[in-house]
Amino acid sequence: DARVTQTPRHKVTEMGQEVTMRCQPILGHNTVFWYRQTMMQGLELLAYFRNRAPLDDSGMPKDRFSAEMPDATLATLKIQPSEPRDSAVYFCASGPVGNSPLHFGNGTRLTVT
Amino acid sequence: GESVGLHLPTLSVQEGDNSIINCAYSNSASDYFIWYKQESGKGPQFIIDIRSNMDKRQGQRVTVLLNKTVKHLSLQIAATQPGDSAVYFCAENMGGSGNTGKLIFGQGTTLQVKP
Repeated sequence: DARVTQTPRHKVTEMGQEVTMRCQPILGHNTVFWYRQTMMQGLELLAYFRNRAPLDDSGMPKDRFSAEMPDATLATLKIQPSEPRDSAVYFCASGPVGNSPLHFGNGTRLTVT
Repeated sequence: GESVGLHLPTLSVQEGDNSIINCAYSNSASDYFIWYKQESGKGPQFIIDIRSNMDKRQGQRVTVLLNKTVKHLSLQIAATQPGDSAVYFCAENMGGSGNTGKLIFGQGTTLQVKP
């Protein structure tokens, strides 16, 4: 079964440190989404890409978050500097263009102390 | 101490009974809807989807009903099993125009299956 792969699965870091989360979308999927899940807000859309181009990152705090797709097999989400309020589970999802379901990875659980 | 966060609605059912999970969506222009299941420590897993030109779709043990008049979506699970215990999310595609746009998720419902 093809699946979205996210690394690392868990990350604990101190406030102020840079965090990089990686995602390998399913081969052939040309849309990639980043979501954040917290107890307070549920699943929030941070950013999404189509054919590696960012389409919408309005859900992302611009001053500290950045999302990129260096190539079709890698999407990254960076936080610099990280803050305790960034603690959450970050999910990557990919899908084909058109009305088709997104496939989610198992997330990166980030804890910022 | 007490955790502060979203108070997810919880549906508790007996094993073997049918479950119905409801969802209200926000955008009348949304044209595609999906139900996801999320187990602890995992990402959301696709269950079933429906396009706005349909009002019912069936899968294996699951049925999704769409009522566009009242912007309501429901997921019916037949003969609920302990393995069905999870959080269930509905999601709407707010991109419209048949393109994969923003998939916006509801808050989720916790399904507890009692043996």
